[in-house]
Amino acid sequence: AQSVAQPEDQVNVAEGNPLTVKCTYSVSGNPYLFWYVQYPNRGLQFLLKYITGDNLVKGSYGFEAEFNKSQTSFHLKKPSALVSDSALYFCAVRDRSNDYKLSFGAGTTVTVRA
Amino acid sequence: EAQVTQNPRYLITVTGKKLTVTCSQNMNHEYMSWYRQDPGLGLRQIYYSMNVEVTDKGDVPEGYKVSRKEKRNFPLILESPSPNQTSLYFCASSLPGTAYEQYFGPGTRLTVT
Repeated sequence: AQSVAQPEDQVNVAEGNPLTVKCTYSVSGNPYLFWYVQYPNRGLQFLLKYITGDNLVKGSYGFEAEFNKSQTSFHLKKPSALVSDSALYFCAVRDRSNDYKLSFGAGTTVTVRA
Repeated sequence: EAQVTQNPRYLITVTGKKLTVTCSQNMNHEYMSWYRQDPGLGLRQIYYSMNVEVTDKGDVPEGYKVSRKEKRNFPLILESPSPNQTSLYFCASSLPGTAYEQYFGPGTRLTVT
C-alpha cells in the first residue's frame, strides 16, 4: 500500500521569509512524487514533480522540492514567500511499479502574512 | 483553452435520488480520474480510467459508478446517494503513463440531505 503524510495541518510564515511544507511518503517500489496547490474555490494546480535524476526539482511560481530517498521525504520549499502563496498544498505519490493509483496527503494550509 | 469542465458546480439533493456529475476534457487525454475531497482526509481516488471502456476502482469506490464511452467524457454516477457522500468532487485528466501530472476540473460541491 502507498501513503503520504503531511505532518503539519498549517504553516504560517511572514512575507519574505522561507517557506517549507513537509511531506513523507511510503511506497513498496520507487516513487513518482507530485506537489499540487489549491487556491480557494478552485481546483488543484500542478506545481512540480520528481520522476528521476536530480533530487532537487524546480517548479512553478518559484517553488522547489527536494527528494530524499533515505528519509522518504519530498519537502516543498520557497526561498521567499509571498502573500499570494497562501493556499492549500497537497503532496501526492504514485508507485512506479504499480498502476495508475495516486495517493494524496491530507493537505497543509499555508498562510503568509504581510 | 485546455481545460477540464465539470457540471454542475453545486448540487443539493436528497437521499436516494440518482444523480450524475459530468466531466469533460478537451486535451485528448487517455487517463481520467475522479476524487473526493474531505477535510482532514485530502483527496481520495474514487475511480479512474486508462482509456475508453477501461475503468478501475480507486480507494473509495463504494456507492459510485463510472463509464467511459468517449475519450473526452467521464461521468460519475451516484445511483442512490447518501449523506456520507456529501463532499467536494474533482475530476482530473492526464496523458497516459504514471509519470504525468494531472489536470483538475474546478470541482463539484455535493450536498445530500
